[in-house]
Amino acid sequence: AQSVTQPDIHITVSEGASLELRCNYSYGATPYLFWYVQSPGQGLQLLLKYFSGDTLVQGIKGFEAEFKRSQSSFNLRKPSVHWSDAAEYFCAVGASGGTASKLTFGTGTRLQVTL
Amino acid sequence: GAVVSQHPSRVICKSGTSVKIECRSLDFQATTMFWYRQFPKQSLMLMATSNEGSKATYEQGVEKDKFLINHASLTLSTLTVTSAHPEDSSFYICSARPPGGPYEQYFGPGTRLTVT
Repeated sequence: AQSVTQPDIHITVSEGASLELRCNYSYGATPYLFWYVQSPGQGLQLLLKYFSGDTLVQGIKGFEAEFKRSQSSFNLRKPSVHWSDAAEYFCAVGASGGTASKLTFGTGTRLQVTL
Repeated sequence: GAVVSQHPSRVICKSGTSVKIECRSLDFQATTMFWYRQFPKQSLMLMATSNEGSKATYEQGVEKDKFLINHASLTLSTLTVTSAHPEDSSFYICSARPPGGPYEQYFGPGTRLTVT
């Protein structure tokens, strides 16, 4: 069974500083990987996804993530954080194959941005 | 594109009553929809996978007779919480997956259920 670990429960960064959110996954085959963001009381918005190909993927809002198979990681980065980026971030892994791939989510990382 | 709506956004019901939550894909047809439950400051827990025209597949530990799921059309899935109890109070989120892959899911804004 697949699993996702987000080691950091809470991260605080200053506005304008760089950001890296960690995500490690466990899956026996090539995974499908996702990063979602959730604002308080809202649903989840897809930031970016990795299925295959270039291991550095670009997403919305200036986010990017790099898939590193050797480290089983899919860390999310942003070079300069904005106050509006404060939210909960979830990494998720989906099983490849099948017609109704379920997603397994990590426990989330809450990002706080100080001005 | 890929917009998913949920209705209602917030509902309060009395213990013992039933409440229905609707999930709609607005600009695409979704053969598969998913229902999640999220407790405060926790991750999403998959409750069931809903396939249009067939019975839902429930995750282990989820009571199928309590959480009734119907996926009657390619754009609508409903979750009915039957005989609700205070412990059913939670944030319920649906998602929809466009047909043909790849496998990203698009999420609705969620429904906050409070059972008094």
